[in-house]
Amino acid sequence: DAGITQSPRHKVTETGTPVTLRCHQTENHRYMYWYRQDPGHGLRLIHYSYGVKDTDKGEVSDGYSVSRSKTEDFLLTLESATSSQTSVYFCAISGTSGGESEAQYFGPGTRLTVL
Amino acid sequence: KQEVTQIPAALSVPEGENLVLNCSFTDSAIYNLQWFRQDPGKGLTSLLLIQSSQREQTSGRLNASLDKSSGRSTLYIAASQPGDSATYLCAGYSMYSGGGADGLTFGKGTHLIIQP
Repeated sequence: DAGITQSPRHKVTETGTPVTLRCHQTENHRYMYWYRQDPGHGLRLIHYSYGVKDTDKGEVSDGYSVSRSKTEDFLLTLESATSSQTSVYFCAISGTSGGESEAQYFGPGTRLTVL
Repeated sequence: KQEVTQIPAALSVPEGENLVLNCSFTDSAIYNLQWFRQDPGKGLTSLLLIQSSQREQTSGRLNASLDKSSGRSTLYIAASQPGDSATYLCAGYSMYSGGGADGLTFGKGTHLIIQP
């Protein structure tokens, strides 16, 4: 158990509403990631963070923003949710010593449905 | 852009067999390759990580190899058990100059069923 929690675990929302997903880690890992998993596409990187207030875009970042104001929390925000953002969202962490090319450990996921 | 392919997409074998899952990647400038298992409705469990300087890693009945020159990795499962039934994912970590897209690129997985 890598000490990662995600909240909420399930959420149903309506198109056009803002949604924020939270990833919390307890082990002081430097790197945090948000992925989405969809049938037929597998897992794809949305955004990642390499330190407090340091973030960058991944492969599928359009429509998403992130924030990391402290080491343990990485927030993913959908400013105006669309049905295409219905997915399972996973947070991951890596790097206790600062090396980004280390194993990544995943949280339990958040299942988001946008109606 | 890194692309990762896993073959076969699904595999069903009787209990006790040794089996090999295949993973191929297009960009040999890979920093590491990681194998995961995912049970239905669950998150990903890390199985093995192979750094680019390594050729293989072992954990219990699992052995993973990495051949950067051919763009291939294999996951060998010895003496398979029904509890090994899951989807197995491989993912490569590549660095991209200019930033962006630093993270794992995943294959779509091999759905493995071990018949009792």
